[in-house]
Amino acid sequence: GNSVTQMEGPVTLSEEAFLTINCTYTATGYPSLFWYVQYPGEGLQLLLKATKADDKGSNKGFEATYRKETTSFHLEKGSVQVSDSAVYFCALSDPGRGSTLGRLYFGRGTQLTVWP
Amino acid sequence: DTEVTQTPKHLVMGMTNKKSLKCEQHMGHRAMYWYKQKAKKPPELMFVYSYEKLSINESVPSRFSPECPNSSLLNLHLHALQPEDSALYLCASSQVGSGGREQYFGPGTRLTVT
Repeated sequence: GNSVTQMEGPVTLSEEAFLTINCTYTATGYPSLFWYVQYPGEGLQLLLKATKADDKGSNKGFEATYRKETTSFHLEKGSVQVSDSAVYFCALSDPGRGSTLGRLYFGRGTQLTVWP
Repeated sequence: DTEVTQTPKHLVMGMTNKKSLKCEQHMGHRAMYWYKQKAKKPPELMFVYSYEKLSINESVPSRFSPECPNSSLLNLHLHALQPEDSALYLCASSQVGSGGREQYFGPGTRLTVT
């Protein structure tokens, strides 16, 4: 089946520190992979995506590379800011099966807190 | 424009009330979704509409009744809810077709059942 495993949180960093949030997946087909971010009191925002192996998604200084050999999609940022404090969800979409049409599989979420 | 709007932002209802949540998108997406999210948890899929037809119902209790009046609108009718139904209800939309589909989420409706 399809599943996503995210590193346990919470993650607490000082401003300008390097961020890595690990994400690995299991999929029956050829999934697309996503990172979503949820700020307090808000809905989920699409942060970045990758649709095939070796694709790198990037946005707002965040990056993640689709690694098929390690079934991973780790989120990285070189220098975090206080405004990056949020919950980050790794997710996959497996488009190949009729019964799972449109379904997103989410990881548990990782709370990131950045201190000034 | 990648905006999905939801109303109301907050809703408090008693267990005998009937209320509705509304969702709207103008991105031309033909798939729309309802999710329930509890605090500190990922969203849980409730319903999926594809081309205005219900395609997935994740065994949601009948006190939740979805409706898709047209390709831009999605409603969730609520009746006789329980306190454990208190949660953030998120609407999302996406394109339909082959290939991975990102979903665009609305800001959610914070529901409290008293």
